[in-house]
Amino acid sequence: KNEVEQSPQNLTAQEGEFITINCSYSVGISALHWLQQHPGGGIVSLFMLSSGKKKHGRLIATINIQEKHSSLHITASHPRDSAVYICAVRYTSGSRLTFGEGTQLTVNP
Amino acid sequence: NAGVTQTPKFQVLKTGQSMTLQCAQDMNHEYMSWYRQDPGMGLRLIHYSVGAGITDQGEVPNGYNVSRSTTEDFPLRLLSAAPSQTSVYFCASSYSMTGYPPYTFGSGTRLTVV
Repeated sequence: KNEVEQSPQNLTAQEGEFITINCSYSVGISALHWLQQHPGGGIVSLFMLSSGKKKHGRLIATINIQEKHSSLHITASHPRDSAVYICAVRYTSGSRLTFGEGTQLTVNP
Repeated sequence: NAGVTQTPKFQVLKTGQSMTLQCAQDMNHEYMSWYRQDPGMGLRLIHYSVGAGITDQGEVPNGYNVSRSTTEDFPLRLLSAAPSQTSVYFCASSYSMTGYPPYTFGSGTRLTVV
């Protein structure tokens, strides 16, 4: 069982919709990352969070340390946002990243 | 262009064959790592290195070998390929394993073992 749980596993939206992807983890962390995997396979880092909220363009990431939960929001979604979004955490007890399974997002025009 | 270069992009092997997946970076990153990505599972760490001459096992090291003779290169060797090693493999590098600064990933190698 993956220690980093993402939901939903698959998400289909219409262009313009507000999208939320969730990530939960089981124990204390030092940092949480959101990554994007493009249809061609390349993986890029979107955010690193240890508290609060970060925003970049139409993407917003939030984290609630007490509830061990993070969300990635996409406002005014566009077909080019179609990708797999991956959550990863670094536990306070370790140095490595542990990755979630990913959420496949498809945005239809 | 600066980044992580993985070769080949695609490979089909027969059971029992050996091969080497190449990974090179030109960013002077100390940390390099290999992951495999399978359906329904997150990226899983195979082996990693924190500098030239230093390697260590990750979560799923069996059936794979690595070496790090230079800062730039971190090849992954499959000793005797098995169908269970069919997967997509990613190499990643950074100044630190902690994820800050963020990892830079290669474009992946899709390996099929028949």
